[in-house]
Amino acid sequence: KNQVEQSPQSLIILEGKNCTLQCNYTVSPFSNLRWYKQDTGRGPVSLTIMTFSENTKSNGRYTATLDADTKQSSLHITASQLSDSASYICVVSVGASGTYKYIFGTGTRLKVLA
Amino acid sequence: DAMVIQNPRYQVTQFGKPVTLSCSQTLNHNVMYWYQQKSSQAPKLLFHYYDKDFNNEADTPDNFQSRRPNTSFCFLDIRSPGLGDAAMYLCATSRDGPGGPPYEQYFGPGTRLTVT
Repeated sequence: KNQVEQSPQSLIILEGKNCTLQCNYTVSPFSNLRWYKQDTGRGPVSLTIMTFSENTKSNGRYTATLDADTKQSSLHITASQLSDSASYICVVSVGASGTYKYIFGTGTRLKVLA
Repeated sequence: DAMVIQNPRYQVTQFGKPVTLSCSQTLNHNVMYWYQQKSSQAPKLLFHYYDKDFNNEADTPDNFQSRRPNTSFCFLDIRSPGLGDAAMYLCATSRDGPGGPPYEQYFGPGTRLTVT
């Protein structure tokens, strides 16, 4: 069964600190993995997209890693800011050309405190 | 500059009264998606259009229908809303589907549906 699991479910950190969010997946065939940031009451916004051959990708203070062997990904946030408070969703795309499947994780809710 | 626009942002409807949510895009993308997201849950895909081809998810209730009259617009019709249909409804677009190159998926801000 295609599945994406994220941990932790929620996280509270102090402003300026770093944190790492985890995503484990059991998906076949794997196409690509995405991290989204979703502010409360808003639509998700893409942070990174990684294909099978990519190990790491950065977007400002956000760095995503992918280990296709262990089927794990992480999102590292450096020097957190209050505006980083949001849900972070890991999404894995499944299938070959002609199929359209995104498998969503349930997200990690991050709260950054001043 | 808004690229995926959803109207209205908040919608209140009565139990059993049909309601239509709308989505428009300025990206000229081939694929448009409708997701349902309930509180603290991941978005759940209801259906998507690849151009004019409609693709329904197997577990999407018949109560949910969709129309795509042209490339720019897509509508979600809920024929007889129940209390369990209260949720955030997200529209998204992508240039092509996830099976090909990793095109970005752009989400609208969502419509929050309340059923009374």
